Amino acid sequence: GAGVSQSPSNKVTEKGKDVELRCDPISGHTALYWYRQRLGQGLEFLIYFQGNSAPDKSGLPSDRFSAERTGESVSTLTIQRTQQEDSAVYLCASTNYGGNEQFFGPGTRLTVL
Amino acid sequence: QQQVKQSPQSLIVQKGGIPIINCAYENTAFDYFPWYQQFPGKGPALLIAIRPDVSEKKEGRFTISFNKSAKQFSLHIMDSQPGDSATYFCAASSGTYKYIFGTGTRLKVLA
Repeated sequence: GAGVSQSPSNKVTEKGKDVELRCDPISGHTALYWYRQRLGQGLEFLIYFQGNSAPDKSGLPSDRFSAERTGESVSTLTIQRTQQEDSAVYLCASTNYGGNEQFFGPGTRLTVL
Repeated sequence: QQQVKQSPQSLIVQKGGIPIINCAYENTAFDYFPWYQQFPGKGPALLIAIRPDVSEKKEGRFTISFNKSAKQFSLHIMDSQPGDSATYFCAASSGTYKYIFGTGTRLKVLA
């Protein structure tokens, strides 16, 4: 596909469970971002990957959140011991190296019961 | 200093009207100001962007007005259509990779 894809599109989990969200960036895009979008809110930066450089994790809200990316491919965002306040849409975006435009995926809607 | 303040939170206009969405920032190091459009169930998509060396940029029915001295920028949608109904986000960045997004404006254009 030509765009950023994310899976699953929807995830319902129970409080305390771990969840893993996946992002497939556009092929050739070196940079990848994760954002959180709470209902009716703006986009909250979580983490940034650029090639093989150390990621910018400054937006991760707690140590329950972690993300990995191997090279310039797929990324996974893991939330451990989920809480109800983690309920949100998690968006992934990718860009060309040096590019400004961020291309977003459709998001994963996470609901923690 | 890192905030981008966006208003209004929501906006309803008649078809053909000109909705205006405003954003204000504090950090004078910001040098790239994009607007993103988001339809329900979709990720945001870049609509139009401006750099501070120009005061206005037009792309089709969408115009950004930029006031560097006031540290404000706005999106105008000419001849708005029901298909323009979406949430609009402004953002700012300072030559780095990190965008600061506004809180969004939910626009509804009535037929």
